[in-house]
Amino acid sequence: AQSVTQLGSHVSVSEGALVLLRCNYSSSVPPYLFWYVQYPNQGLQLLLKYTTGATLVKGINGFEAEFKKSETSFHLTKPSAHMSDAAEYFCAVSRYGNNRLAFGKGNQVVVIP
Amino acid sequence: DAGVTQSPTHLIKTRGQQVTLRCSPKSGHDTVSWYQQALGQGPQFIFQYYEEEERQRGNFPDRFSGHQFPNYSSELNVNALLLGDSALYLCASSWGQNTGELFFGEGSRLTVL
Repeated sequence: AQSVTQLGSHVSVSEGALVLLRCNYSSSVPPYLFWYVQYPNQGLQLLLKYTTGATLVKGINGFEAEFKKSETSFHLTKPSAHMSDAAEYFCAVSRYGNNRLAFGKGNQVVVIP
Repeated sequence: DAGVTQSPTHLIKTRGQQVTLRCSPKSGHDTVSWYQQALGQGPQFIFQYYEEEERQRGNFPDRFSGHQFPNYSSELNVNALLLGDSALYLCASSWGQNTGELFFGEGSRLTVL
């Protein structure tokens, strides 16, 4: 079975500072990995995904994530936080890219002016 | 271009009742997945419909059932409601069963009293 672990339900970051959200996965087969973002009163939106190939993946709004097989990790980063980044972020994994995603519990990001 | 639309947005039921939630996928999408998101948790996969058939199912009891119509819209039915069924129910659509790139609606918030 596939699963992901996201530690720290709430993350506070100063405006302009680095955003780092950690995600570790467990998978019996090569994983497909995703980060989704949920803004207040909106549906989840895909930020980026890793399938195969290049391990550094760039997404929307300046976010990127790096797949590290040796560490079973897929951490999300953004060099400089903006107030508009305040949202809940979910890491997810699936087998072979199918639509049965296993989500983590999420990180609620608060940006401090 | 309309995204994924869900109805109703909020509803309150009592234990033992039955509920039907509805979803219209994003234009051009043919696959619908349903997720349950309990408070403070990540979404959990319920099932997926493609070509009007249930193709994949998560660890949910038979009280949870669904349907997909020829126009690709979908319904989620829950019978014999329990207090623990209180959650946000998310519909997600995609083009094909194996992309992992899901477009989510804003959800239907179900409260069971």
